[in-house]
Amino acid sequence: AQKVTQAQTEISVVEKEDVTLDCVYETRDTTYYLFWYKQPPSGELVFLIRRNSFDEQNEISGRYSWNFQKSTSSFNFTITASQVVDSAVYFCALSPSVGATNKLIFGTGTLLAVQP
Amino acid sequence: GAVVSQHPSRVICKSGTSVKIECRSLDFQATTMFWYRQFPKQSLMLMATSNEGSKATYEQGVEKDKFLINHASLTLSTLTVTSAHPEDSSFYICSASPTAYGYSNQPQHFGDGTRLSIL
Repeated sequence: AQKVTQAQTEISVVEKEDVTLDCVYETRDTTYYLFWYKQPPSGELVFLIRRNSFDEQNEISGRYSWNFQKSTSSFNFTITASQVVDSAVYFCALSPSVGATNKLIFGTGTLLAVQP
Repeated sequence: GAVVSQHPSRVICKSGTSVKIECRSLDFQATTMFWYRQFPKQSLMLMATSNEGSKATYEQGVEKDKFLINHASLTLSTLTVTSAHPEDSSFYICSASPTAYGYSNQPQHFGDGTRLSIL
């Protein structure tokens, strides 16, 4: 069975703090994609990153960085020097196989509140 | 970049009404689109996979006669909530990715969602 767990329901930080959002996944597939999406209060889903299961390199994009560890089935997301505009719900998601048009299995989301 | 347009963005209607939601891929073709449902403060749950030119594939527990899906062209899928009741009130969101020869190696792009409120 495939499953994505985001244990942190809500996180509140003060602006400029660093924050890490945890994501743990379960799958029996050997090939898969992992994603992070941001959902601001307006509701739309904003794509942040996709990582395939063969690529365990960490990635940095501006203030965002991702740590993928297959050994622990985790794909954690860190925001450095958080800003108020980062306040949103963040979803981690799993796509069961690579190379096909496939559905996404979402975690329950983490609500991040960045206080000024 | 790939854009998915969803319409309408918000619907408020009376119980018993049928509501149609459109999902369009604006600058690409998609043989497959996905429909998700999100209750307040909850995650997105896949309802069904919309397949161009064939029947939709519904997830377990989703009533196919209640949620009619039509994917008549490579750029348009519609979800019709038939005889809607207050418990159908939710946020509905579609997604698609560019497809060539039935293959897609690109991330899903989401519409902005439709907030449905049944009185």
